[in-house]
Amino acid sequence: QVQLQESGPGLVKPSQTLSLTCTVSGDSISSGGFYWNWIRQHPGKGLEWIGHIYSSGATSYNPSFKSRITMSVVTSESQFSLKLSSASAADTAVYYCARGVDLGDYHDVWGRGTQVTVSS
Amino acid sequence: DIQMTQSPSSLSASVGDSVTITCRSSRDIRIYLNWYQLKPGKAPKLLIYKVSNLQSGVPSRFSGSGSGTDFTLSISSLQLEDFATYYCQQSYSSPPTFGLGTKMEIK
Repeated sequence: QVQLQESGPGLVKPSQTLSLTCTVSGDSISSGGFYWNWIRQHPGKGLEWIGHIYSSGATSYNPSFKSRITMSVVTSESQFSLKLSSASAADTAVYYCARGVDLGDYHDVWGRGTQVTVSS
Repeated sequence: DIQMTQSPSSLSASVGDSVTITCRSSRDIRIYLNWYQLKPGKAPKLLIYKVSNLQSGVPSRFSGSGSGTDFTLSISSLQLEDFATYYCQQSYSSPPTFGLGTKMEIK
């Protein structure tokens, strides 16, 4: 079955760029009808959708991140990535990657999440 | 953004009990309401999509209902593995938004 695995630095300094990668296994990242999401959870808080990307490279971002966010996809490596610039303590969270289903826009497969702390 | 309000924020229950969690949206989201289960250190799990559709592999003791702005997740005959935090999510309009969660603990 499809599995997702997040990877990246667990500690980022303030003002630097937070970079994460999600590796998809068990199915093609280019399978039709799906898209690829980043979602985060602040300590003790709810879930926040960051954005998504299709295998074509088309993206949609949460406006709350304004111009700080960039997502990309490398289909040959079954990976998609997140870059969040000008990181601050407010970006400290568990970051999840998840697969989105076009017909209904729900997230049917998630990674286990990776903790990212922004601190000097 | 559409605001999602869940209640209760926490509840205590025993194995074998039945529980209901409520989710209210700040405006009509038709049938675009999904439920997820989160446990520490585990991948979040989709339970129900589009109000009442049980995701493959999810036990039939989970069920969902509602429409418009008011929705419920019901769990009958609670099992030990059901003690977790549950989130509703609207996928009617972007950005998709989540409730703040309902943490279910063993009484």
